[in-house]
Amino acid sequence: KQEVTQIPAALSVPEGENLVLNCSFTDSAIYNLQWFRQDPGKGLTSLLLIQSSQREQTSGRLNASLDKSSGRSTLYIAASQPGDSATYLCAVRPSYGKLTFGQGTILTVHP
Amino acid sequence: EAGVAQSPRYKIIEKRQSVAFWCNPISGHATLYWYQQILGQGPKLLIQFQNNGVVDDSQLPKDRFSAERLKGVDSTLKIQPAKLEDSAVYLCASSSEPEDIQYFGAGTRLSVL
Repeated sequence: KQEVTQIPAALSVPEGENLVLNCSFTDSAIYNLQWFRQDPGKGLTSLLLIQSSQREQTSGRLNASLDKSSGRSTLYIAASQPGDSATYLCAVRPSYGKLTFGQGTILTVHP
Repeated sequence: EAGVAQSPRYKIIEKRQSVAFWCNPISGHATLYWYQQILGQGPKLLIQFQNNGVVDDSQLPKDRFSAERLKGVDSTLKIQPAKLEDSAVYLCASSSEPEDIQYFGAGTRLSVL
């Protein structure tokens, strides 16, 4: 059974810092890995999707990496802003099956 | 394009009562998902539809939860009777293909007292 763990559970940083969120998974036989953002009282928004054959994906100030062999992914946020404050979730998908989510990292960026 | 619509946004009921949630996916999306998100946890898939057929309902508590997808478009999720542990946010999502990016609605926050 796939298990997804995110560290840290919560993170508070001053504006402008670069930061890294971590995600680990127990079964390396994945089809893709996704990072989502969730704002309070709202649904999830997909940020980046990395296929199993890829090593990283970039979108603006966000960069996600994937190391299948070690069961790890990182989400790098450059020059953080208060608007980046949200919960960040990673989720893995097997070749056939459902997404398994981590519990999320609550990020607070203070001015 | 319009996003995934869910209603109601909030619902408070007493245990043993019934409740229903409604979801309208993005137009043209064949795959529809219902997730349960308990506070402090990631979403857990309850049921996945492909058009109006069920693909995965392995984590749906079938003794109290039921779901249907009408004509392969809108969907309803029902809980009858509700328990205290059903308090959670119920999220609906849709995608054009099962392996594609999922688009989520804002969710329905259920409180069972």
